[in-house]
Amino acid sequence: DADVTQTPRNRITKTGKRIMLECSQTKGHDRMYWYRQDPGLGLRLIYYSFDVKDINKGEISDGYSVSRQAQAKFSLSLESAIPNQTALYFCATSGSGGPVGETQYFGPGTRLLVL
Amino acid sequence: AQSVTQLGSHVSVSEGALVLLRCNYSSSVPPYLFWYVQYPNQGLQLLLKYTSAATLVKGINGFEAEFKKSETSFHLTKPSAHMSDAAEYFCAVSDLDRDDKIIFGKGTRLHILP
Repeated sequence: DADVTQTPRNRITKTGKRIMLECSQTKGHDRMYWYRQDPGLGLRLIYYSFDVKDINKGEISDGYSVSRQAQAKFSLSLESAIPNQTALYFCATSGSGGPVGETQYFGPGTRLLVL
Repeated sequence: AQSVTQLGSHVSVSEGALVLLRCNYSSSVPPYLFWYVQYPNQGLQLLLKYTSAATLVKGINGFEAEFKKSETSFHLTKPSAHMSDAAEYFCAVSDLDRDDKIIFGKGTRLHILP
């Protein structure tokens, strides 16, 4: 079984709708991240969480919110979806307590289309 | 803030030829550097990382990268390309000023020609 899972894998929604993307991990990691990938732009960080009570904005958090329901679960919400949020979304996890430079482990991605 | 620049959004090489993907970083302190690979319809996975030990880092699938402080570079190489190497490759730096988050480059798509 995959260590980092994302649901749904594909989603089509309409402008103005609220949607939630979910991420679960079985690696026992404290740190979790949400990125979006757009062609030619690489990956950009939306939100990150270093533990259940610690949530931080990334470089492109406007229009998004997150919830860390448990150590293993980190959800991303689009409160009112707009077309320029059409992208590939990735969840990632990494360990903590060690030196900086921890490897991040990625889920398979959620492809979102906002009409 | 730290950043990475990948030279060339697309690189094409013939099967069996040398693969060279270029990455330059900016950092005021010794960074931690990574190369990730993304195969079609998959998430990213770590190829290799530099964490201030040996400057030549060996990764999976025959890839390696050399940290050159004087050139602020961390280029990825493989002596002989295989068709299965076709993927998108991301260079990344650990931003020590920003809680150990990773800053990704824009990616280089590697095409392998038969």
